[in-house]
Amino acid sequence: EAAVTQSPRSKVAVTGGKVTLSCHQTNNHDYMYWYRQDTGHGLRLIHYSYVADSTEKGDIPDGYKASRPSQENFSLILELASLSQTAVYFCASSWTLGEQYFGPGTRLTVL
Amino acid sequence: GEQVEQRPPHLSVREGDSAVITCTYTDPNSYYFFWYKQEPGASLQLLMKVFSSTEINEGQGFTVLLNKKDKRLSLNLTAAHPGDSAAYFCAQGGGADRLTFGKGTQLIIQP
Repeated sequence: EAAVTQSPRSKVAVTGGKVTLSCHQTNNHDYMYWYRQDTGHGLRLIHYSYVADSTEKGDIPDGYKASRPSQENFSLILELASLSQTAVYFCASSWTLGEQYFGPGTRLTVL
Repeated sequence: GEQVEQRPPHLSVREGDSAVITCTYTDPNSYYFFWYKQEPGASLQLLMKVFSSTEINEGQGFTVLLNKKDKRLSLNLTAAHPGDSAAYFCAQGGGADRLTFGKGTQLIIQP
């Protein structure tokens, strides 16, 4: 069954440390997305990609980098984690202009 | 950028009653829409999808109405049951390579 998986599912990081969140999809989708979810803000798009080795900035890219080494994998990198980056992060994949399928989420706590 | 306003942010109804969640959008080129359901602590699951050529869509106990003239999308639940308690998000897509999400509605079904 096609799926989007994320790792880790939960992480505690220290302020100023580096954090890497990983996403893997078996949907054979072109597009992949990273969102963060905070109470009262819904989903906000951080970065997305429509082809391997290329990424695009979303609506809130500051403080985040993304990497798409293959069609199946998409990573979100926090080079210097900050308290304000505590949130739940979702990865999603889709066909061009299609519905997005979401991973289970990663709960990140920065202390 | 394009915006989607979702109302109400919180909604509480009794079991068996109806509930309506509404999204208004600004992009005149929108031609497909989605509703997602998110249960507590879980990821987003696709509930329904609607294309602009279809003004009414039904399924899983919900009816989705699309009013293109007023740029309004509504999710109508005719007889609520406890399993419907969740957060609901609308999403709008059009010519851009991303979806625009509403901020969500927390629906609580009271016994």
